[in-house]
Amino acid sequence: EAQVTQNPRYLITVTGKKLTVTCSQNMNHEYMSWYRQDPGLGLRQIYYSMNVEVTDKGDVPEGYKVSRKEKRNFPLILESPSPNQTSLYFCASSSGEGDQPQHFGDGTRLSIL
Amino acid sequence: GQQVMQIPQYQHVQEGEDFTTYCNSSTTLSNIQWYKQRPGGHPVFLIQLVKSGEVKKQKRLTFQFGEAKKNSSLHITATQTTDVGTYFCAGVPGNQFYFGTGTSLTVIP
Repeated sequence: EAQVTQNPRYLITVTGKKLTVTCSQNMNHEYMSWYRQDPGLGLRQIYYSMNVEVTDKGDVPEGYKVSRKEKRNFPLILESPSPNQTSLYFCASSSGEGDQPQHFGDGTRLSIL
Repeated sequence: GQQVMQIPQYQHVQEGEDFTTYCNSSTTLSNIQWYKQRPGGHPVFLIQLVKSGEVKKQKRLTFQFGEAKKNSSLHITATQTTDVGTYFCAGVPGNQFYFGTGTSLTVIP
């Protein structure tokens, strides 16, 4: 089954404790992306990657890092999480160069105390 | 910077009434996409519009892309309870995605 898998689905942690949210897709998609969803603000793009070893900043990249060492994986790293990064995070992937429809994972709800 | 505005933020309708949500971009888009997110779920792709003035239909849903490729609308005819959810437009000027703030639709049986 074609899917985008995120882990963990839920995480409660404390300020400053490094964390990684993993994302994996099995559709051989070139384009992968991370979004955060906050009430009243919709989805905002954090980082995107058009292929292996190519990553670019989205609209709200501050406080986040990503890597794309393999085509299928695109982890999101919070080196020193802060409470304003409490949010619902979605990973998505698509074929082609980046203007194609996105397939979303089920989301990761992060709470940073 | 790039902005995509979407109105209204909320809409409550009686079942059987029509519903429309509007999306406006500050810049010209290469395409616009629409997504639906059910409560507790993830966004699911509905449709992509690419051409200026394009109109596409999916059963009771009608999607339009403006002539200047800066605005779009989604119209649902005769809403049903299965239409409940938040509808997002996503403007794509290049390789980045700019989502609207979404319209949350409640359908009252």
